[in-house]
Amino acid sequence: EDQVTQSPEALRLQEGESSSLNCSYTVSGLRGLFWYRQDPGKGPEFLFTLYSAGEEKEKERLKATLTKKESFLHITAPKPEDSATYLCAVSLSSNDYKLSFGAGTTVTVRA
Amino acid sequence: DAGVTQSPTHLIKTRGQHVTLRCSPISGHKSVSWYQQVLGQGPQFIFQYYEKEERGRGNFPDRFSARQFPNYSSELNVNALLLGDSALYLCASSLAGTGIYGYTFGSGTRLTVV
Repeated sequence: EDQVTQSPEALRLQEGESSSLNCSYTVSGLRGLFWYRQDPGKGPEFLFTLYSAGEEKEKERLKATLTKKESFLHITAPKPEDSATYLCAVSLSSNDYKLSFGAGTTVTVRA
Repeated sequence: DAGVTQSPTHLIKTRGQHVTLRCSPISGHKSVSWYQQVLGQGPQFIFQYYEKEERGRGNFPDRFSARQFPNYSSELNVNALLLGDSALYLCASSLAGTGIYGYTFGSGTRLTVV
C-alpha cells in the first residue's frame, strides 16, 4: 500500500539552529511531492512542489530536496515564526486527483 | 483575490444528525476536493469533483456525499453523524482535475459531534 512517513514527529529548535525534516514514501508512479505548512486551526499553506529526483526548491529559510525514495525540508537559521506543522504529500500518476499526506512534523522554534 | 472560502468555520452537532459544509473555490478553479483531518494526523482524501463530475472518492462510508454546482462551488454532506466524524474538514481547489498545478486549501470547518 502506498505510504508517506514523516520524521521526526516533533522538533524543538533554538532560534538560529538549522535542521532537516524527512518525508519518505513507498509509492509507485510519483507524479509530484508537495510540502505544506499548517498553523493550528488553519488549512495547509502551500510551500513547494517537487516533480523529479534531484530537484531542489527554496523559499526564504526553507529548502526542499527530492530523491527517489524521500524528500527533505531543510530549515536554515529558523525564527519563532517558522513554528508550525509541516506536511508532506504525494500525488500519483494512477490517481492524480488526490494527495496522500503524511502525519506531519510539528516544529517549535524558541527565541 | 479571495482564496478558498469555507462555511461555517465551526459547527457543533449531535450524534445521528446531518451536516452540510460549503466551499467556494478560487475564481477560475474548476476542481474542488474535500479532506478530513483528525487531530494529530494528516488530511485524508474524501472526494474530488471536476467540472461537476466526481473524479475520485476516498475510503469513506456512503454517509459522506458531495456535489459541485455550475459555479464550481461545492457541498459536503454527512448523514447519521458519529462521534468519530469530529474533525477539521478542508476544501481544496485547483485549476484542473489533476494535482499537477497544486492545490490551495481553505481554512476549514471544525466539526464537533457530541
